[in-house]
Amino acid sequence: SFVLTQPPSVSVAPGKTARITCGGNNIGSKSVHWYQQKPGQAPVLVVYYDSDRPSGIPERFSGSNSGNTATLTVSRVEAGDEADYYCQVWDSSSDHRVFGGGTKLTVL
Amino acid sequence: QVQLVESGGGVVQPGRSLRLSCAASGFTFRNYGMNWVRQAPGKGLEWVAVISHDGSYKDYADSVKGRFSISRDNSMNTLSVQMTSLGADDTAVYYCAKDSDLVRGAPFDNWGQGILVTVSS
Repeated sequence: SFVLTQPPSVSVAPGKTARITCGGNNIGSKSVHWYQQKPGQAPVLVVYYDSDRPSGIPERFSGSNSGNTATLTVSRVEAGDEADYYCQVWDSSSDHRVFGGGTKLTVL
Repeated sequence: QVQLVESGGGVVQPGRSLRLSCAASGFTFRNYGMNWVRQAPGKGLEWVAVISHDGSYKDYADSVKGRFSISRDNSMNTLSVQMTSLGADDTAVYYCAKDSDLVRGAPFDNWGQGILVTVSS
């Protein structure tokens, strides 16, 4: 099945930009969704179909997808952005949804 | 607003069965595909199963195929999963999650709060 690879952790200072990658074979040909999960809470969709944002999600969250890497970018990082972030795609060959292993974003 | 409330979790012995339910409200339940996603303690998210809006299509992760059965009752706005032959690897928080639209592979735009299933003797 399709494998998504994320770095286990990313650290960034407040006010700076965090970039969380999601690698997969020709992932640029798929639609990527991103979820934020804070401790003890359910995941929340923050970016979908590569770069769209649900209502209520700050413009500081953006996404891109090309080649073998999709990226979630969090601009002007705030302490409240500290969370685990997961990428997800639909694998058409198996017709299954697939999640990346998750990345813990730490705000220094 | 959309609400998804899971129930039925708890401690179950290895090899036994358990049924989880998810009560949906705040949207037209019969119009959306629904899923179960689980998260083992300290681990990442794992998609478990999907059912189409009308129940005609169902699919499962390889890890649960043949042991789990997803179903829905559109008259009661309820999603369920029957889990059999449970093992320690099935210990997890189970979330019900709503598809955002009818496109295959749509994102999950709403999640329940999750329910813990612990498989232990």
